[in-house]
Amino acid sequence: GESVGLHLPTLSVQEGDNSIINCAYSNSASDYFIWYKQESGKGPQFIIDIRSNMDKRQGQRVTVLLNKTVKHLSLQIAATQPGDSAVYFCAENSGQGGSEKLVFGKGTKLTVNP
Amino acid sequence: NAGVMQNPRHLVRRRGQEARLRCSPMKGHSHVYWYRQLPEEGLKFMVYLQKENIIDESGMPKERFSAEFPKEGPSILRIQQVVRGDSAAYFCASSPPAAREKLFFGSGTQLSVL
Repeated sequence: GESVGLHLPTLSVQEGDNSIINCAYSNSASDYFIWYKQESGKGPQFIIDIRSNMDKRQGQRVTVLLNKTVKHLSLQIAATQPGDSAVYFCAENSGQGGSEKLVFGKGTKLTVNP
Repeated sequence: NAGVMQNPRHLVRRRGQEARLRCSPMKGHSHVYWYRQLPEEGLKFMVYLQKENIIDESGMPKERFSAEFPKEGPSILRIQQVVRGDSAAYFCASSPPAAREKLFFGSGTQLSVL
């Protein structure tokens, strides 16, 4: 079954607010994590990634936090804009058996209200 | 630099027909992945290939589904004798040799089985 899941299926925020999307994973052997954004009718778009030897990584308006103790991952979006409305997926890679496949969670739908 | 190219964008088949989905990876990428997505769900791993080699097919159904990535030309996901349950969005992703777990996705093929 899925080893990656999400706390909330939907999130609604006001434009300009900060958004936090959470993700729990169960495979302690996972050493690489990615966040993807998927807009309706499109493929997943890479946002940011992080390796297990880090606990925080920042990009442009986005920050990923990794807490290995409780196996929790979060994506923070600063000053959320209407264009950020999409479904956000976290994914993990354990690298088991030499396979680089990613395991995806079910996703969180972010709606930004103007 | 073109992204991952998938075609067709939409494919309609009747039960019992064959479906062929094509994927051309990004330039310089030698690894291809196929994922399936049902509405309101995350992406499910199907198969991971290199040129002329299947690395991991643990997500492929045992029957009717096959995948290849020949030396020349695109990767093909083939579904024989399609059934209504095969209706889904099929996404292809590719990754560079130096970061094989960092997947870049195409826009997908929406397969509808009548």
